[in-house]
Amino acid sequence: GDSVTQMEGPVTLSEEAFLTINCTYTATGYPSLFWYVQYPGEGLQLLLKATKADDKGSNKGFEATYRKETTSFHLEKGSVQVSDSAVYFCALRPTDSWGKLQFGAGTQVVVTP
Amino acid sequence: GAGVSQSPSNKVTEKGKDVELRCDPISGHTALYWYRQSLGQGLEFLIYFQGNSAPDKSGLPSDRFSAERTGGSVSTLTIQRTQQEDSAVYLCASSPPGQTQYFGPGTRLTVL
Repeated sequence: GDSVTQMEGPVTLSEEAFLTINCTYTATGYPSLFWYVQYPGEGLQLLLKATKADDKGSNKGFEATYRKETTSFHLEKGSVQVSDSAVYFCALRPTDSWGKLQFGAGTQVVVTP
Repeated sequence: GAGVSQSPSNKVTEKGKDVELRCDPISGHTALYWYRQSLGQGLEFLIYFQGNSAPDKSGLPSDRFSAERTGGSVSTLTIQRTQQEDSAVYLCASSPPGQTQYFGPGTRLTVL
């Protein structure tokens, strides 16, 4: 079945450091890929998405590129802020389903001043 | 416009009792989804509605769980004879068909 694997946290960084969260997936066909973020005490919010190979999603300084050859969708940000502290979830929507999202386990990111 | 809303925000119940969780989707969103977020299991899909029908209910963990949607809008997730392992945050999301899902704030269920 479809699955998403992302790096375990917590990831602790200093402000202005470079952030990478690895995400790889297993799926048939051409799934859509997403990053969702959950800030402390808040609900899940869509951060960015990509719907086909080589697409790059970007938002709020974050970027991720859909790499079919490596089945990856790694999240990056060049200079993190304390306000980026949150849990980040990688997810896929299968090709044959408009329904469920398959989520990774989530990666907690802690940015210190 | 208004986002997805869920009620109650918190629910504490005793083992064996039934609970109902409500979701109000974004107006005009025909697709509605229920997920569960728990410490041990992460984010799990439960059920998906398109209109009032449920093409995919593969994630419901047991026959104690059921969901319905009426009028293509509000949905209710019902858990009968609750167990301690049902304790989790239940999330609802909505979307136009096949489009990005927008999540509500969740209902935190605690079964004592």
